[in-house]
Amino acid sequence: AAGVIQSPRHLIKEKRETATLKCYPIPRHDTVYWYQQGPGQDPQFLISFYEKMQSDKGSIPDRFSAQQFSDYHSELNMSSLELGDSALYFCASSLRYRLAGYNEQFFGPGTRLTVL
Amino acid sequence: KNQVEQSPQSLIILEGKNCTLQCNYTVSPFSNLRWYKQDTGRGPVSLTIMTFSENTKSNGRYTATLDADTKQSSLHITASQLSDSASYICVVSPNYGGATNKLIFGTGTLLAVQP
Repeated sequence: AAGVIQSPRHLIKEKRETATLKCYPIPRHDTVYWYQQGPGQDPQFLISFYEKMQSDKGSIPDRFSAQQFSDYHSELNMSSLELGDSALYFCASSLRYRLAGYNEQFFGPGTRLTVL
Repeated sequence: KNQVEQSPQSLIILEGKNCTLQCNYTVSPFSNLRWYKQDTGRGPVSLTIMTFSENTKSNGRYTATLDADTKQSSLHITASQLSDSASYICVVSPNYGGATNKLIFGTGTLLAVQP
Protein backbone atom coordinates (compact mmCIF):
# COMPACT_ATOMS: atom_id res chain seq x y z
CA ALA A 1 0.00 0.00 0.00
CA ALA A 2 1.20 3.49 -0.76
CA GLY A 3 2.54 5.44 2.18
CA VAL A 4 3.34 9.05 2.89
CA ILE A 5 6.38 10.16 0.93
CA GLN A 6 8.70 12.87 2.13
CA SER A 7 11.60 14.44 0.33
CA PRO A 8 14.39 14.91 0.79
CA ARG A 9 15.13 12.35 3.48
CA HIS A 10 18.20 14.25 4.64
CA LEU A 11 19.10 17.89 4.25
CA ILE A 12 22.08 19.88 5.41
CA LYS A 13 21.91 23.65 5.42
CA GLU A 14 23.85 26.50 6.91
CA LYS A 15 22.54 29.17 9.23
CA ARG A 16 20.38 31.82 7.56
CA GLU A 17 19.76 29.64 4.53
CA THR A 18 16.34 28.49 3.38
CA ALA A 19 14.97 24.98 3.04
CA THR A 20 11.90 23.43 1.45
CA LEU A 21 10.54 20.10 2.60
CA LYS A 22 8.00 18.21 0.54
CA CYS A 23 5.28 15.81 1.55
CA TYR A 24 3.17 13.60 -0.68
CA PRO A 25 0.17 12.19 1.21
CA ILE A 26 -1.40 8.80 0.78
CA PRO A 27 -3.64 8.89 -2.32
CA ARG A 28 -7.14 10.22 -1.56
CA HIS A 29 -6.08 11.63 1.80
CA ASP A 30 -7.24 15.24 2.06
CA THR A 31 -5.44 16.39 5.21
CA VAL A 32 -1.75 16.93 5.79
CA TYR A 33 0.03 17.62 9.07
CA TRP A 34 3.57 18.76 9.80
CA TYR A 35 5.46 17.89 12.98
CA GLN A 36 8.91 18.80 14.27
CA GLN A 37 10.81 16.39 16.48
CA GLY A 38 13.98 17.67 18.11
CA PRO A 39 16.67 15.31 19.40
CA GLY A 40 15.27 13.26 22.27
CA GLN A 41 11.96 15.11 22.18
CA ASP A 42 8.43 14.16 21.26
CA PRO A 43 6.97 15.46 18.00
CA GLN A 44 5.52 18.94 18.16
CA PHE A 45 2.62 19.84 15.91
CA LEU A 46 3.42 22.68 13.52
CA ILE A 47 0.53 23.11 11.12
CA SER A 48 -2.14 21.23 9.20
CA PHE A 49 -4.05 21.67 5.96
CA TYR A 50 -7.39 20.38 4.80
CA GLU A 51 -8.41 20.74 1.18
CA LYS A 52 -5.56 23.21 0.58
CA MET A 53 -6.65 25.49 3.42
CA GLN A 54 -4.84 25.82 6.72
CA SER A 55 -6.95 23.98 9.26
CA ASP A 56 -4.94 24.20 12.46
CA LYS A 57 -1.80 25.91 13.64
CA GLY A 58 0.60 24.83 16.32
CA SER A 59 4.04 25.99 17.32
CA ILE A 60 5.21 26.95 13.85
CA PRO A 61 7.75 29.82 13.88
CA ASP A 62 7.00 32.89 11.81
CA ARG A 63 10.08 32.06 9.73
CA PHE A 64 8.30 28.96 8.48
CA SER A 65 5.41 28.80 6.06
CA ALA A 66 3.56 25.94 4.47
CA GLN A 67 0.94 25.28 1.89
CA GLN A 68 -1.01 22.46 0.35
CA PHE A 69 -1.33 22.28 -3.41
CA SER A 70 -4.14 21.17 -5.72
CA ASP A 71 -2.68 17.66 -5.90
CA TYR A 72 -2.73 17.60 -2.06
CA HIS A 73 1.01 17.51 -1.68
CA SER A 74 2.38 19.98 0.83
CA GLU A 75 5.56 21.98 1.21
CA LEU A 76 7.12 23.39 4.36
CA ASN A 77 9.27 26.41 3.64
CA MET A 78 11.82 27.38 6.24
CA SER A 79 13.78 30.62 6.03
CA SER A 80 16.59 32.20 8.06
CA LEU A 81 17.47 28.79 9.41
CA GLU A 82 18.84 28.60 12.94
CA LEU A 83 20.86 25.90 14.64
CA GLY A 84 17.80 25.05 16.74
CA ASP A 85 15.86 24.14 13.62
CA SER A 86 17.89 20.95 13.34
CA ALA A 87 15.32 18.24 13.81
CA LEU A 88 13.34 15.46 12.21
CA TYR A 89 10.37 16.85 10.34
CA PHE A 90 7.45 14.51 9.92
CA CYS A 91 4.52 14.81 7.62
CA ALA A 92 1.35 12.84 8.24
CA SER A 93 -1.80 12.47 6.19
CA SER A 94 -5.34 11.41 6.89
CA LEU A 95 -8.88 11.47 5.64
CA ARG A 96 -10.56 14.19 7.61
CA TYR A 97 -13.96 12.64 8.03
CA ARG A 98 -14.37 8.99 8.91
CA LEU A 99 -17.33 6.96 10.05
CA ALA A 100 -15.46 6.07 13.22
CA GLY A 101 -15.36 9.74 14.17
CA TYR A 102 -11.60 10.04 14.21
CA ASN A 103 -8.98 10.35 11.54
CA GLU A 104 -5.98 8.10 11.75
CA GLN A 105 -2.82 9.91 10.82
CA PHE A 106 -0.24 8.00 8.82
CA PHE A 107 3.25 9.32 9.22
CA GLY A 108 5.95 9.60 6.62
CA PRO A 109 9.56 8.55 7.24
CA GLY A 110 10.59 12.11 8.01
CA THR A 111 13.17 14.56 6.71
CA ARG A 112 16.23 14.99 8.89
CA LEU A 113 17.34 18.61 8.71
CA THR A 114 20.76 19.55 9.99
CA VAL A 115 21.64 23.23 10.27
CA LEU A 116 25.35 23.95 10.55
CA LYS B 1 3.59 20.39 32.73
CA ASN B 2 3.02 18.01 29.83
CA GLN B 3 -0.58 17.26 29.03
CA VAL B 4 0.35 13.65 28.28
CA GLU B 5 2.85 11.96 30.56
CA GLN B 6 4.22 8.46 30.28
CA SER B 7 6.03 6.10 32.57
CA PRO B 8 8.51 4.64 32.80
CA GLN B 9 10.81 6.83 30.71
CA SER B 10 12.78 3.76 29.72
CA LEU B 11 12.50 0.06 30.26
CA ILE B 12 14.73 -2.94 29.64
CA ILE B 13 13.20 -6.40 29.48
CA LEU B 14 14.27 -9.84 28.35
CA GLU B 15 12.96 -11.33 25.15
CA GLY B 16 9.76 -13.27 25.72
CA LYS B 17 8.70 -11.30 28.78
CA ASN B 18 5.63 -9.11 29.06
CA CYS B 19 5.58 -5.45 29.96
CA THR B 20 3.11 -2.65 30.57
CA LEU B 21 3.59 0.99 29.72
CA GLN B 22 1.55 3.73 31.38
CA CYS B 23 0.06 6.98 30.12
CA ASN B 24 -1.65 9.71 32.14
CA TYR B 25 -3.24 12.64 30.40
CA THR B 26 -4.99 15.87 31.32
CA VAL B 27 -6.32 16.74 27.87
CA SER B 28 -10.04 17.43 28.14
CA PRO B 29 -12.30 16.98 26.41
CA PHE B 30 -10.58 14.43 24.29
CA SER B 31 -11.69 12.58 21.22
CA ASN B 32 -9.41 9.60 21.12
CA LEU B 33 -6.20 8.17 22.48
CA ARG B 34 -3.58 6.46 20.36
CA TRP B 35 -0.47 4.44 20.94
CA TYR B 36 2.33 4.75 18.42
CA LYS B 37 5.55 2.82 17.99
CA GLN B 38 8.50 4.81 16.74
CA ASP B 39 11.75 3.24 15.67
CA THR B 40 14.79 5.48 15.88
CA GLY B 41 14.85 7.95 13.01
CA ARG B 42 11.57 6.69 11.57
CA GLY B 43 8.04 7.99 11.57
CA PRO B 44 5.59 6.88 14.26
CA VAL B 45 3.43 3.89 13.37
CA SER B 46 -0.03 3.56 14.84
CA LEU B 47 -0.67 0.55 17.08
CA THR B 48 -4.13 1.26 18.51
CA ILE B 49 -6.72 4.01 18.53
CA MET B 50 -9.44 4.16 21.18
CA THR B 51 -12.30 6.61 21.44
CA PHE B 52 -13.42 7.86 24.85
CA SER B 53 -16.13 5.19 24.92
CA GLU B 54 -13.77 2.27 24.41
CA ASN B 55 -11.77 0.76 27.23
CA THR B 56 -9.65 -1.85 25.51
CA LYS B 57 -8.30 -2.60 22.09
CA SER B 58 -5.88 -5.21 20.86
CA ASN B 59 -3.54 -5.41 17.92
CA GLY B 60 -1.68 -8.70 17.91
CA ARG B 61 0.62 -8.78 20.92
CA TYR B 62 -0.30 -5.22 21.83
CA THR B 63 -3.29 -4.52 24.09
CA ALA B 64 -4.23 -1.00 25.08
CA THR B 65 -6.62 -0.06 27.87
CA LEU B 66 -8.29 3.23 28.60
CA ASP B 67 -9.96 4.58 31.73
CA ALA B 68 -11.51 7.88 30.74
CA ASP B 69 -12.61 8.56 34.32
CA THR B 70 -9.10 8.48 35.73
CA LYS B 71 -7.56 9.68 32.45
CA GLN B 72 -5.17 6.76 32.28
CA SER B 73 -4.17 4.37 29.56
CA SER B 74 -1.80 1.44 29.40
CA LEU B 75 -0.15 -0.53 26.63
CA HIS B 76 0.58 -4.15 27.40
CA ILE B 77 3.08 -6.01 25.23
CA THR B 78 2.95 -9.78 25.41
CA ALA B 79 5.82 -12.16 24.66
CA SER B 80 8.19 -9.38 23.69
CA GLN B 81 10.46 -9.71 20.68
CA LEU B 82 13.74 -8.02 19.86
CA SER B 83 11.94 -6.02 17.17
CA ASP B 84 9.74 -4.46 19.85
CA SER B 85 12.70 -2.31 20.86
CA ALA B 86 11.50 1.20 20.07
CA SER B 87 9.94 4.27 21.58
CA TYR B 88 6.25 3.92 22.46
CA ILE B 89 4.31 7.13 22.42
CA CYS B 90 0.88 7.82 23.88
CA VAL B 91 -0.95 10.43 21.84
CA VAL B 92 -4.19 12.20 22.70
CA SER B 93 -6.40 13.94 20.20
CA PRO B 94 -8.39 16.83 21.72
CA ASN B 95 -12.05 17.21 20.89
CA TYR B 96 -12.64 20.57 19.28
CA GLY B 97 -16.22 19.77 18.51
CA GLY B 98 -15.59 18.71 14.95
CA ALA B 99 -13.17 16.57 13.07
CA THR B 100 -10.03 16.52 15.16
CA ASN B 101 -6.69 17.44 13.79
CA LYS B 102 -4.00 18.23 16.32
CA LEU B 103 -2.33 15.41 18.19
CA ILE B 104 -0.72 15.92 21.57
CA PHE B 105 2.22 13.60 21.99
CA GLY B 106 3.37 12.10 25.23
CA THR B 107 6.94 11.97 26.41
CA GLY B 108 7.39 8.39 25.24
CA THR B 109 8.76 5.24 26.82
CA LEU B 110 11.96 3.85 25.36
CA LEU B 111 11.76 0.06 25.41
CA ALA B 112 14.79 -2.14 24.94
CA VAL B 113 14.28 -5.87 24.55
CA GLN B 114 17.39 -7.89 25.21
CA PRO B 115 18.09 -11.50 24.16
